[in-house]
Amino acid sequence: DTEVTQTPKHLVMGMTNKKSLKCEQHMGHRAMYWYKQKAKKPPELMFVYSYEKLSINESVPSRFSPECPNSSLLNLHLHALQPEDSALYLCASSLASGAPGGPQHFGDGTRLSIL
Amino acid sequence: ILNVEQSPQSLHVQEGDSTNFTCSFPSSNFYALHWYRWETAKSPEALFVMTLNGDEKKKGRISATLNTKEGYSYLYIKGSQPEDSATYLCAFTYSGGSNYKLTFGKGTLLTVNP
Repeated sequence: DTEVTQTPKHLVMGMTNKKSLKCEQHMGHRAMYWYKQKAKKPPELMFVYSYEKLSINESVPSRFSPECPNSSLLNLHLHALQPEDSALYLCASSLASGAPGGPQHFGDGTRLSIL
Repeated sequence: ILNVEQSPQSLHVQEGDSTNFTCSFPSSNFYALHWYRWETAKSPEALFVMTLNGDEKKKGRISATLNTKEGYSYLYIKGSQPEDSATYLCAFTYSGGSNYKLTFGKGTLLTVNP
């Protein structure tokens, strides 16, 4: 079982809906990540939070809005998505500063479909 | 743009065979190289993180080597088992940016036939 929990596992939404993806870890990691993965492509980094502060935004459209309410939780708020946003969204966490890019621990992902 | 290349794209082997595949990455500004195993319907699982030229790491029947001067890493699986079937991803971080940012290759899909 993964130590990073993502909910929901599947989400179908219309282009006008607002929904949120959730991610939780209790390993004491202080860096958390959102990735987007399309079929037959590698995961692409979207956001990185370090010590609850946004440290990397890979020029993601504003219809994706991340939030890190505390060190264990990471949310991704979705609004007015497009069909091309349909993908697997992966959350990951890792030890923060000092480690030379320590291993990231991934959740099982949320499979998102936009109608 | 940082390119991480993996080869082959896919591989079919028989149970008991040993196999290896390659990850190529930019040799300048190297910081760390990660290997992950990703089984269908599961989450990617970290195998190794390597930082030093000449590093060799081992986990059971799986091992990896690193050459930072020429920009490649090999992953070896000895005596493949059907449960080794998965996509093996490598990912690279460079010293010019955040050490949190991984750039992934497209992966090698390994299928081990019983």
